Amino acid sequence: NAGVMQNPRHLVRRRGQEARLRCSPMKGHSHVYWYRQLPEEGLKFMVYLQKENIIDESGMPKERFSAEFPKEGPSILRIQQVVRGDSAAYFCASSPRDLGQPQHFGDGTRLSIL
Amino acid sequence: GENVEQHPSTLSVQEGDSAVIKCTYSDSASNYFPWYKQELGKRPQLIIDIRSNVGEKKDQRIAVTLNKTAKHFSLHITETQPEDSAVYFCAAKGSSGDKLTFGTGTRLAVRP
Repeated sequence: NAGVMQNPRHLVRRRGQEARLRCSPMKGHSHVYWYRQLPEEGLKFMVYLQKENIIDESGMPKERFSAEFPKEGPSILRIQQVVRGDSAAYFCASSPRDLGQPQHFGDGTRLSIL
Repeated sequence: GENVEQHPSTLSVQEGDSAVIKCTYSDSASNYFPWYKQELGKRPQLIIDIRSNVGEKKDQRIAVTLNKTAKHFSLHITETQPEDSAVYFCAAKGSSGDKLTFGTGTRLAVRP
């Protein structure tokens, strides 16, 4: 029973490049959430998606950040023109269709900006 | 929106003693409160959760209590072991959708 799969585990980018982070939810889960964790801090909600729909993006910066969860394939968090402040661990979580179910996290992608 | 505060930020206990971590939340409509354990460099792992229609829930050495009137909930770990050492996060799901709002974490150290 595979859990939430994220890749890559580590990603290094230079300032101004693009970063693409991928998340495949657990089997049977149709809700995906992205959270950001800065070193020594808690997790901050970014965006909540269902297949082909963004449900809540209230935690995502208006510029440079975008997310999608297509009908086929993983959810993608895309950061354009990365800056040093984007360095963080980005975690994806998934939950089943029914609201109020527990969210299970992937291993995260650690993004480092040179 | 929801705001979750967590105390203490660090906690050191002797092996075998109990540990208690407390959280308060602001949104009185919040209805779901999970606790996650995160070891260094690893994913947050759900260890226990409680819903607003329940006052207490227990799973072996771990228990969570919820006081809806005071808007606070607590994690209790009894008979602590060195492998309980980790950062623990509380979270709350408010009335504005399905997202979780996390506390700032408690770094628990269990001394052998």
